[in-house]
Amino acid sequence: DGGITQSPKYLFRKEGQNVTLSCEQNLNHDAMYWYRQDPGQGLRLIYYSQIVNDFQKGDIAEGYSVSREKKESFPLTVTSAQKNPTAFYLCASRARGTSANEKLFFGSGTQLSVL
Amino acid sequence: SQQGEEDPQALSIQEGENATMNCSYKTSINNLQWYRQNSGRGLVHLILIRSNEREKHSGRLRVTLDTSKKSSSLLITASRAADTASYFCATDALSSGNTGKLIFGQGTTLQVKP
Repeated sequence: DGGITQSPKYLFRKEGQNVTLSCEQNLNHDAMYWYRQDPGQGLRLIYYSQIVNDFQKGDIAEGYSVSREKKESFPLTVTSAQKNPTAFYLCASRARGTSANEKLFFGSGTQLSVL
Repeated sequence: SQQGEEDPQALSIQEGENATMNCSYKTSINNLQWYRQNSGRGLVHLILIRSNEREKHSGRLRVTLDTSKKSSSLLITASRAADTASYFCATDALSSGNTGKLIFGQGTTLQVKP
């Protein structure tokens, strides 16, 4: 079954701790994205990557870091510098940009809470 | 740089009625997309309309786009209880090139009562 897998579903962070959210896709998509969703809000872009070993900051990158060492994987680290990390985090992917491939495919999300 | 605004924020209707959600945006776009999100889940793509299109249909969904007013609407006809979810519009701005970066609205929460 092709798709995007995010893990864990729930994650708790202690003060001063870095935590890493996993995102894996087997859709052979080139581009991957991380969005943050706060309660009752839309999605805001944290980071995106269009190709392996390359990534760009989105609108709210401060306090977050990513890597893209493999096409299938785009992990997100929430660092201790992110003072308000409690949110629902969504990973998405998209095939290489052509007019036929503009929609995003989403994972089922990770809810991060602060202890 | 959130550019989508949706209204209403919440909508409650009876099964069988139609539901209309509206989206406004600020800059020129390549396309506008609508997504659905069930509570606590990821988003699912519903329909995409390009900037040179005015109307598009997919099953019980009808989307319109007015680029002069920078607005779009999503109509769900003959709603069902299973349509209960949040609906988001997302724009692919011309300025984003071919990055695939989408800008999402705040969403409309639809409740369909049986």
